[in-house]
Amino acid sequence: AQTVTQSQPEMSVQEAETVTLSCTYDTSESDYYLFWYKQPPSRQMILVIRQEAYKQQNATENRFSVNFQKAAKSFSLKISDSQLGDAAMYFCAYRSAVGATNKLIFGTGTLLAVQP
Amino acid sequence: DSGVTQTPKHLITATGQRVTLRCSPRSGDLSVYWYQQSLDQGLQFLIQYYNGEERAKGNILERFSAQQFPDLHSELNLSSLELGDSALYFCASSPPTLGSTDTQYFGPGTRLTVL
Repeated sequence: AQTVTQSQPEMSVQEAETVTLSCTYDTSESDYYLFWYKQPPSRQMILVIRQEAYKQQNATENRFSVNFQKAAKSFSLKISDSQLGDAAMYFCAYRSAVGATNKLIFGTGTLLAVQP
Repeated sequence: DSGVTQTPKHLITATGQRVTLRCSPRSGDLSVYWYQQSLDQGLQFLIQYYNGEERAKGNILERFSAQQFPDLHSELNLSSLELGDSALYFCASSPPTLGSTDTQYFGPGTRLTVL
C-alpha cells in the first residue's frame, strides 16, 4: 500500500522569505501523480500544484514550485516570497495512475505560519 | 470557489442518530469522492462514484453508505452515529477523463458534530 509522510508538523517563515515543506512517499508503482493541497483556516481544500511522475521537469505555479526526486521518492514544496495569505495547513497527496480508482492518499500535513 | 457544493455546512446531532450529507459536483464532472478529516485519522478516502456507479471503497464503515443519483449529485448517509464520527466530511469531484491527470476539486465540507 502507498503511504505519504510529512515529517514537519509545523513550520514558520518570515514574510517575503522562502520556505520548503517536505514530503516523502512510498510506492512500488512507476506511474502516479503527486499533489500539494492548501487548507487555510476556512477549511477549504485548495489545489496548489500537481506533478506527474513521468515528467522529469519540476512543476511550477507562480510562487510555488516543487522539487520532485523520483528515485528518492521525495516531493517537496517551495514557497517563494511568502505572503501572509500563505499561512495554512499544507497536505501532500499521492494518486495512483493504475487501476480504476483515483483516490488521494494524504500525508498528515504541515502547518505553516507566516510572520509579518 | 471550486464549483463543488456541499450541504449542510454544519450538522449537530446526537449519538445513535442518522444524517445525510449532500454534494453537488462541478458541472460536467462525473466522479464524486467522499473524504473524512478527523483529528485521529487525518484525511481519509471513504468512497468514490463514477457516473452513478460505485468505483472504489476506502476505509468506510458499514454504518456509512453513499450513492450517486442520475443528476450526478451524491449523498453520504451516516447511521448509528458515534462520538468518533465527529469530523469534517469533504466531497470532491473530477472530470470524466479517467486515468489522466484529472484533478480533484473539493467542496467546502460539512462539519459533523456528534454529541
